[in-house]
Amino acid sequence: DAMVIQNPRYQVTQFGKPVTLSCSQTLNHNVMYWYQQKSSQAPKLLFHYYDKDFNNEADTPDNFQSRRPNTSFCFLDIRSPGLGDAAMYLCATSRGRGGTDTQYFGPGTRLTVL
Amino acid sequence: GQNIDQPTEMTATEGAIVQINCTYQTSGFNGLFWYQQHAGEAPTFLSYNVLDGLEEKGRFSSFLSRSKGYSYLLLKELQMKDSASYLCAVTDSNYQLIWGAGTKLIIKP
Repeated sequence: DAMVIQNPRYQVTQFGKPVTLSCSQTLNHNVMYWYQQKSSQAPKLLFHYYDKDFNNEADTPDNFQSRRPNTSFCFLDIRSPGLGDAAMYLCATSRGRGGTDTQYFGPGTRLTVL
Repeated sequence: GQNIDQPTEMTATEGAIVQINCTYQTSGFNGLFWYQQHAGEAPTFLSYNVLDGLEEKGRFSSFLSRSKGYSYLLLKELQMKDSASYLCAVTDSNYQLIWGAGTKLIIKP
């Protein structure tokens, strides 16, 4: 089945220790998104790629970076995680970026910062 | 500013019907999504409305009134597995997706 895969499902890191989360997709979608979601809150868009075109949200901290080496893979790098970065990180894909295309989500990575 | 309002939490009984409301104030409108999210899992797509009216899909229906900035998700014949959060999201005039915080639905036997 075509799908969105995230690894790892659970990640524990120490305060200030860099961490990388990964996402891959077999849907061959053009757009890939990274969201941060804290408990009982709406998903917060961090950035998205339309193909290789990178789009950063204005309020995304510099601490968060992303790479998309090819159509299938996208990475989220957190350079110096703080306690406030503990959250669920969701990767999603869509065919187009018009905002009217359904987004398909991976299972998420739950990040704990000690 | 842009705003999506949903009740924080609702409780319903197994086998019953529940309606989850969503009101929105956004800069323009290009469609409204409903997603289901079980605890600790990713959101999954339920419905997309861009025209006024009711769309039915099995036990779930979604209604939209653009003039009122209002939508609801109707769940019939509730099952225990329907316990989840239900997220409303609106696409604005810039084709940005604005998310609500979700309604946590608790189903009791």
